[in-house]
Amino acid sequence: SYVLTQPPSVSVAPGKTATITCGGLNIGSKSVNWYQQQAGQAPVLVIYNDRGRPSGIPARFSGSNSGTTATLTISRVEAGDEADYYCQVWHNGSDPPYVFGTGTKVTVL
Amino acid sequence: QVQLRQSGPGLMKPSETLSLTCAISGESVSSNSATWNWIRQSPSRGLEWLGRTYYRSRWYNDYALSMKGRIMISPDVAKNEVSLHLNSVTPEDSAVYFCARVAGANWFDPWGQGTLVTVSS
Repeated sequence: SYVLTQPPSVSVAPGKTATITCGGLNIGSKSVNWYQQQAGQAPVLVIYNDRGRPSGIPARFSGSNSGTTATLTISRVEAGDEADYYCQVWHNGSDPPYVFGTGTKVTVL
Repeated sequence: QVQLRQSGPGLMKPSETLSLTCAISGESVSSNSATWNWIRQSPSRGLEWLGRTYYRSRWYNDYALSMKGRIMISPDVAKNEVSLHLNSVTPEDSAVYFCARVAGANWFDPWGQGTLVTVSS
């Protein structure tokens, strides 16, 4: 099955930039989605199709994808951004076809 | 906007059948552009897609191979709901279960609120 690898944790000071990576074989050829999961809550879509932002998601959230790494960037980090973040792709021909990353805990210092 | 509201028991015994329901508001379960998915999350397995149901002139189902033989996902058109049934549960099936919609492309939005299921004797 297809594997997506994320760093377990990222720490960032308020007002700084958090960068979360998602590694996968040839992930640059796939469409990557990102979710934010606050403690005890359901995941919320924050980036779709590599860099699209759903309505209501601040412009501080941005995404990119190339080669073997997709990246979620959170600029001007706020305390409310502290959460787990997951990448996700559709991998046709894989089982399961929907694959999630291992997750990254973002801690705001 | 579309909202998903889950219901179902949280505590089960081994060998029982897990049954969860996802009530959909804001869109028809028979929509030709959506699929209705079940996903679970546990510390050991992370986020794991279990399967989906969708309508494209007729009803279709897809399931993760790891679940096949034990899982059924079915729509209730009259109630505008989707149900998950997982039989012969073991403690390894303990997880938070989510329903979620995929509309058009391949991302999940929105999600249900989640149901913590614990399997214990």
